[in-house]
This record gives sequence, C-alpha cells and structure tokens, in this order.
Amino acid sequence: TQLLEQSPQFLSIQEGENLTVYCNSSSVFSSLQWYRQEPGEGPVLLVTVVTGGEVKKLKRLTFQFGDARKDSSLHITAAQPGDTGLYLCAGLMNRDDKIIFGKGTRLHILP
Amino acid sequence: EAGVAQSPRYKIIEKRQSVAFWCNPISGHATLYWYQQILGQGPKLLIQFQNNGVVDDSQLPKDRFSAERLKGVDSTLKIQPAKLEDSAVYLCASSFNTGGETQYFGPGTRLLVL
Repeated sequence: TQLLEQSPQFLSIQEGENLTVYCNSSSVFSSLQWYRQEPGEGPVLLVTVVTGGEVKKLKRLTFQFGDARKDSSLHITAAQPGDTGLYLCAGLMNRDDKIIFGKGTRLHILP
Repeated sequence: EAGVAQSPRYKIIEKRQSVAFWCNPISGHATLYWYQQILGQGPKLLIQFQNNGVVDDSQLPKDRFSAERLKGVDSTLKIQPAKLEDSAVYLCASSFNTGGETQYFGPGTRLLVL
C-alpha cells in the first residue's frame, strides 16, 4: 500500500509557466517534507511543514500543508530549467518517527 | 562541513554474488539511515541506527541483507547473495537525532545486478 500518492508522476512544461504538484494520503502526518533530487545525487530537503494549513515560501516555490495534515502541494511560479528534478514528498508518522516517501514527481522544464 | 560520504558510487555484480556498501555520516550525527531507491520510486527505508543500535529494520530483507554500525560512526550495508531485483540506488542519510530532524543524504551507490 502506497501511503503517499504523488501526482502527476511526470510533468514537462515550458520555462516561465506555473505548475502545481500534489502529495496525498489517507493518513495523518505530524509533519511533511519536500525534497528535490537531481540525477546521480541524493535528495535535498527543501522545506518541512508542521501545522495544518501552513504555507511556506522559498523564492518561487510555495508549499502548503492541508488543514487535516493529510496532503500537501508544491506550487512553482515562473518555472526555470534549474527547477528540473525529482520532487519527493515525505511524511513523518508521529507514532514511530518513521519517514515515508512518495514515488515522486519528475519535473522537466524546457528552455 | 563535509557531507555524507558513500562508496563505491557504482557497482556491477552478477546474481548470487556478494556486495558491500560503505557510508560515513556527517560528524556528530547520531542517526544513520540506509534507503533503497528503485528506479522510478521514492526511497524506501531499510534500516535506521541510533548511534550503534538498530531503531528500525522492519523493511530489511534479513535473509540476504545485513548492516552494522559498530562504533556508532560509519556503517556498512551488505547483500549476500544478490538478486536481480536488488538493482537500485542505495542511499545513506544521517541526522543529528531522530524525531523528524533534517536528514542529509549522500550521493548513493548505484547497484546493477546482472
């Protein structure tokens, strides 16, 4: 059973466009993290959201945690080729501190 | 500050052979993780150490996989014997402590089993 569903799996858009990727679950998480992974490298943490309804901004990236702490979204404004990569969401299960990763959204920004 | 180091970066073996991966975490990090990332999927936790003790190894295939962190610093992950389905990237990560602390990942070891 995949606890964290990410959508879309793949996304290819032109430079300058906006996009949103989603991370959904039927489980409640104490916190949720977003990572970016580039080819040949390990994932790098972008943000951690903790409070239901929380919104965090990182330059052109906006992260939102759902009110019920079951889902999250990542919105990128004016995408650039440097945003290309695999975006992974990971939820922390409160009961045992285990982190569960989704399968990721592979994003490709065309120049 | 040096990041998480892993070696080798790439390994090609035949099925039924053995292989070992090495990880050196960030200095001072008590928690060390080994993940398996199969192509097209997110990382799956294999084992988590807190210092030299195992916190979680529920998803480690113990009939063929083993891991140790004897002195609470660096760690090795071994597969014996390897199967075709073990082809994946093996990621090591470390964090200062458990409980949702930021994990820092190494570059991974890419294993191909023929």
